[in-house]
Amino acid sequence: EPEVTQTPSHQVTQMGQEVILRCVPISNHLYFYWYRQILGQKVEFLVSFYNNEISEKSEIFDDQFSVERPDGSNFTLKIRSTKLEDSAMYFCASQAGNSPLHFGNGTRLTVT
Amino acid sequence: SQKIEQNSEALNIQEGKTATLTCNYTNYSPAYLQWYRQDPGRGPVFLLLIRENEKEKRKERLKVTFDTTLKQSLFHITASQPADSATYLCALLGNTGGFKTIFGAGTRLFVKA
Repeated sequence: EPEVTQTPSHQVTQMGQEVILRCVPISNHLYFYWYRQILGQKVEFLVSFYNNEISEKSEIFDDQFSVERPDGSNFTLKIRSTKLEDSAMYFCASQAGNSPLHFGNGTRLTVT
Repeated sequence: SQKIEQNSEALNIQEGKTATLTCNYTNYSPAYLQWYRQDPGRGPVFLLLIRENEKEKRKERLKVTFDTTLKQSLFHITASQPADSATYLCALLGNTGGFKTIFGAGTRLFVKA
């Protein structure tokens, strides 16, 4: 069964550094998402992406965040200047249409 | 504001019993409701979707009900097994007309052998 893959599985970075989290969604899916889960808390929506543009974003997704689909397969989340509070699991998800979300297994981001 | 509430206390049950998890929501008129399973350190995995015009949906040992008057969904696992131990998340499509799926905080289920 096709799956969403995320790399790296764990990223450690220093405060103020830029990080790029990478995702390869399921190939025929059209809708792409990033979610975040701080340890012990709920899965929070960050951003949705459709037709090469952001369709919706949350209050968390401020100017420090950006997303890109640079080619036909990758979907990336960039954090320009990381803060301690950005430490979390970041999940990518993709969706075919009016169907459930398919999640990757996440990137654990640790900001020191 | 839109809220999804799930029982934050863990649910402990004996193997073979039925587990029942509750999801309540406010300020939503969802077209459908979803349940996901999340294991530690892993992404959520879709289990079941129930539409607003459906009262009940079943898949193997899983059953979901959806009461749009009470604004509540119940998720049942019958003949529970230790492998069912996980966190179960209720999810709704947001009211903004877009594609934002919002998740409840989840209920942790422990099934003892």
